[in-house]
Amino acid sequence: KAGVTQTPRYLIKTRGQQVTLSCSPISGHRSVSWYQQTPGQGLQFLFEYFSETQRNKGNFPGRFSGRQFSNSRSEMNVSTLELGDSALYLCASSLRLASSYEQYFGPGTRLTVT
Amino acid sequence: SQQGEEDPQALSIQEGENATMNCSYKTSINNLQWYRQNSGRGLVHLILIRSNEREKHSGRLRVTLDTSKKSSSLLITASRAADTASYFCATVFEDNFNKFYFGSGTKLNVKP
Repeated sequence: KAGVTQTPRYLIKTRGQQVTLSCSPISGHRSVSWYQQTPGQGLQFLFEYFSETQRNKGNFPGRFSGRQFSNSRSEMNVSTLELGDSALYLCASSLRLASSYEQYFGPGTRLTVT
Repeated sequence: SQQGEEDPQALSIQEGENATMNCSYKTSINNLQWYRQNSGRGLVHLILIRSNEREKHSGRLRVTLDTSKKSSSLLITASRAADTASYFCATVFEDNFNKFYFGSGTKLNVKP
């Protein structure tokens, strides 16, 4: 069974631009969660989607948004990029709600904002 | 902060020794999960322990949970160089079932 895939793996953007990251979950998994990892703030929960609905959202500004498609694939969008958005963005999928089932993480997208 | 906090922040041991990492949290949990992350990569799920469980095993891993002390520990027995990684605990709280809170992690270095 293929694992969680994320594209692109690396991305360089400039301040003010927007970016879209993509995540394909493991086949059959209905929940997709997104996390931001930085050296200073550690791993922070962004949001979780389950059956195309956002189930919960972390404490991030509205510039961070996401969506999930009927095939469970998910995209995350960050608008008006700031230098502080430079981070490793991790996507994870689980069979059902992430809080009750183990999550399988993708390799991440390394975003650098200059 | 509601986050679980790992202790120690860094641990260096020789191959063959046991490694113990601790995680403390502040409010009642539904479950607690341990993950491993190799440098710059995604996380790998190790063990999920529910609030009504006290101990779980998986191969060389042993996780304990003490809800009265609001703490959990991860023991890796007979460590190997390949165990070198960062280890995180993630907590799911009773009053906020849908959110994950990750701690800052313990960096384990196993010297061959």
